[in-house]
Amino acid sequence: NAGVTQTPKFQVLKTGQSMTLQCAQDMNHNSMYWYRQDPGMGLRLIYYSASEGTTDKGEVPNGYNVSRLNKREFSLRLESAAPSQTSVYFCASSVLAGMETQYFGPGTRLLVL
Amino acid sequence: AQSVTQLGSHVSVSEGALVLLRCNYSSSVPPYLFWYVQYPNQGLQLLLKYTTGATLVKGINGFEAEFKKSETSFHLTKPSAHMSDAAEYFCAVSGPSSRSSYKLIFGSGTRLLVRP
Repeated sequence: NAGVTQTPKFQVLKTGQSMTLQCAQDMNHNSMYWYRQDPGMGLRLIYYSASEGTTDKGEVPNGYNVSRLNKREFSLRLESAAPSQTSVYFCASSVLAGMETQYFGPGTRLLVL
Repeated sequence: AQSVTQLGSHVSVSEGALVLLRCNYSSSVPPYLFWYVQYPNQGLQLLLKYTTGATLVKGINGFEAEFKKSETSFHLTKPSAHMSDAAEYFCAVSGPSSRSSYKLIFGSGTRLLVRP
C-alpha cells in the first residue's frame, strides 16, 4: 500500500502565483487533513474534511482553499501565494476525524519568493 | 479549548541513557493523547496513543508514556536511547472542533539529539 501520497515534493513559486497541492490516500479513510509545519510551531491545521462532501476550517485557513474531490483525494489550493506561506505542507488521513490515528504523507516543501 | 505544551525544544542525551520528553495538556473533555515521531525529511508516524483504560501505554521502538490526569501530563520515556532515536517528537491532544467532530492539536515539538 502506498498510504498517503503528496505531489509535488518541492515547489518554488513567485509571490502572487497560484498552485494546487495534491493528496491521495488508498486506505479507504473517511477523514483527511492539511497541515503546515513551521520551525518552532509544530503542525497547524489548515483545513480538514471529516467525510466526503464536507470541509471545515482549521487553525490557519486564510489564503487557502480545499477540495475533497472524492473519498481518496483532498487538494489544497493557494490562489495568490505570499512569502508567509513558505512552509512544509503535510496531508494526513484517518478512519474517523480526530480520535483515530492519523497517517501522514511525506510532505511538500513550498518556497514563495 | 484544548492545548499542548512540550517542555524543551531540544533534549540531548547520551546513547544508552534514559529518554524523557515532557508533555502537558489542557482539555475540557477526557483527552485522547498521542505521540508522533518525525525523522528528517519525512512525515509523522504514530509512536503511541492513549484513549481509555490502562494509563501506561507502550508504543513502538521501546517507547512508553503514562497518562497522569492529576498532573495533566503525558510524558514520553525510553529506558535506553539509541542513535536511531534522534528525531523530532510531537505530543498531540484530540479535541472537539466547532461542528462536534474532533481534530488533533499538536505541541511545538521536541528535537531529540543522541550523543555517541
